[in-house]
Amino acid sequence: GPKVLQIPSHQIIDMGQMVTLNCDPVSNHLYFYWYKQILGQQMEFLVNFYNGKVMEKSKLFKDQFSVERPDGSYFTLKIQPTALEDSAVYFCASSLDGGANTGQLYFGEGSKLTVL
Amino acid sequence: AQKVTQTQTSISVVEKTTVTMDCVYETRDSSYFLFWYKQTASGEIVFLIRQDSYKKENATVGHYSLNFQKPKSSIGLIITATQIEDSAVYFCAMREEEGGRALIFGTGTTVSVSP
Repeated sequence: GPKVLQIPSHQIIDMGQMVTLNCDPVSNHLYFYWYKQILGQQMEFLVNFYNGKVMEKSKLFKDQFSVERPDGSYFTLKIQPTALEDSAVYFCASSLDGGANTGQLYFGEGSKLTVL
Repeated sequence: AQKVTQTQTSISVVEKTTVTMDCVYETRDSSYFLFWYKQTASGEIVFLIRQDSYKKENATVGHYSLNFQKPKSSIGLIITATQIEDSAVYFCAMREEEGGRALIFGTGTTVSVSP
């Protein structure tokens, strides 16, 4: 089936540094999402993105977070500066559109971020 | 605000039997979509089945079926003839109809299927 690719699969950085997580969504998809999952817990919505703009963001999407997809390349999540509580697995997802018939999201395999 | 609640943290069953998982949701929208996803031990998240709020008939896909009780805001997942590979964490999720809205997940139910 359709694949969402995430790079890197695992990153370890020191607190205060910047990190960029990359997502290559399904090729014809138009809506993009980031979720955060702390080990053993639920997936929590961070942000969704369409037509170059953030549509919604949760309270977890702190000021240190930003997303973009320049010129149809990777959809990125940048955290600058990182904090210890940012340690988690970040999942990217995409969907064809947000309409009534295609609510299904396709998820990547996650990027595990460890902040020391 | 949207909310999805799964009260069962874990369920253990013997293979070839049926397992049922509960999920209740809250929304102010009259039209919404309900989903079940599975997260395997490797972390992979897989879409299983979907129910649209305006459909009265319970969705069925393979050995997955739903028990949709709209007046109770409930969407249970039923897995029949379970197999060892059904062992995973199952997440219930909801999305409101407005285009591109966030998919909100429950806390998950861990299912362990033993021989």
